[in-house]
Amino acid sequence: ELKVEQNPLFLSMQEGKNYTIYCNYSTTSDRLYWYRQDPGKSLESLFVLLSNGAVKQEGRLMASLDTKARLSTLHITAAVHDLSATYFCAVDSNFGNEKLTFGTGTRLTIIP
Amino acid sequence: KAGVTQTPRYLIKTRGQQVTLSCSPISGHRSVSWYQQTPGQGLQFLFEYFSETQRNKGNFPGRFSGRQFSNSRSEMNVSTLELGDSALYLCASSRSASGGDTQYFGPGTRLTVL
Repeated sequence: ELKVEQNPLFLSMQEGKNYTIYCNYSTTSDRLYWYRQDPGKSLESLFVLLSNGAVKQEGRLMASLDTKARLSTLHITAAVHDLSATYFCAVDSNFGNEKLTFGTGTRLTIIP
Repeated sequence: KAGVTQTPRYLIKTRGQQVTLSCSPISGHRSVSWYQQTPGQGLQFLFEYFSETQRNKGNFPGRFSGRQFSNSRSEMNVSTLELGDSALYLCASSRSASGGDTQYFGPGTRLTVL
């Protein structure tokens, strides 16, 4: 059974600082997704990573995928308050279907 | 382009009742997946439909069922509701069913079981 672990679960950081969220998964997959969820809202797609070594950047967020290590990272550069949200990684099982297994989520709070 | 829509947005039911939730995917998307989100269990996969066929099912009891119509709209049904079924139910659509496509999520239906 595919397991996805994120850490940290909670992250409180000051504006302007950099930090990284880690996503480890237990079985072979080369498809990983990052989502953002604001309180009471749905999931917003951030990145889709589809191969080993994939790196994508959007604004202050950058995501990467190392399929050999079964690890993805979401790096936050010079955090701003608007980035406060819960971030989820999700892994596609590679079995030719749309089932996503989600991590536990990282609740990020940016303090002014 | 309209996003994924879900109705109703909020529901309050009592134990033992049944409920039907509806999801309309993005136009042109043929795959619809359902997820349950609770504080304790997080986001869990319920089922996936493509071309009116259930292709995958998560580890939920038979009280949870679903279907997809020819226009790709999907419904899920929960019978004999239990308190533990209180959750945010999210529907997601994607263009294909082979994996690797972004799944776009709807706003969710928040179900409260009293």
